[in-house]
Amino acid sequence: EDQVTQSPEALRLQEGESSSLNCSYTVSGLRGLFWYRQDPGKGPEFLFTLYSAGEEKEKERLKATLTKKESFLHITAPKPEDSATYLCAPDPGKSTFGDGTTLTVKP
Amino acid sequence: GAVVSQHPSWVICKSGTSVKIECRSLDFQATTMFWYRQFPKQSLMLMATSNEGSKATYEQGVEKDKFLINHASLTLSTLTVTSAHPEDSSFYICSARGFGDRVSSNQPQHFGDGTRLSIL
Repeated sequence: EDQVTQSPEALRLQEGESSSLNCSYTVSGLRGLFWYRQDPGKGPEFLFTLYSAGEEKEKERLKATLTKKESFLHITAPKPEDSATYLCAPDPGKSTFGDGTTLTVKP
Repeated sequence: GAVVSQHPSWVICKSGTSVKIECRSLDFQATTMFWYRQFPKQSLMLMATSNEGSKATYEQGVEKDKFLINHASLTLSTLTVTSAHPEDSSFYICSARGFGDRVSSNQPQHFGDGTRLSIL
């Protein structure tokens, strides 16, 4: 059975304090791993797609990386506006989402 | 690009009423649309997957007679909550996935902004 685990569940950072979020998965025949950002009361916003181990994608202060068993979302020098819940979804064909990491960045 | 519009964003109605939620892909053709339910501080729970012109596939435990899904075109899917009761109150989110250079199942889902349903 496909499983996805995100850690930590919640993360509090000071503005400018870099950190990483983890998405561990067991999926047979991975066809892509997706990262989303969700603000309260809104639908998730697509961030990245990673298709193969070793691949990296960057967008502003965010960088996503992928190995065979996990993906990391690195946040460099975060700002308060980066506060949100970050969701990963391996194998979107089955639409299995992790429970997310809620990031709070304090000024 | 890849905008999904969901309407209404908020609905309050009496118990026993049926409520229809629309999900439209505005600038792409959606081969597949998904309907999710999300409880406070929890992740997305997939309810059903629909492909244009065919019957929706419901996840285990989701009542297909209660949550009617229609995907009549490549840009529109609807979810109707029939005879809604207070326990149906939740945040419902749709998403759409379109064609792409890769196999369609490799394409990201694009989400609407959700519908907050409150049943009194």
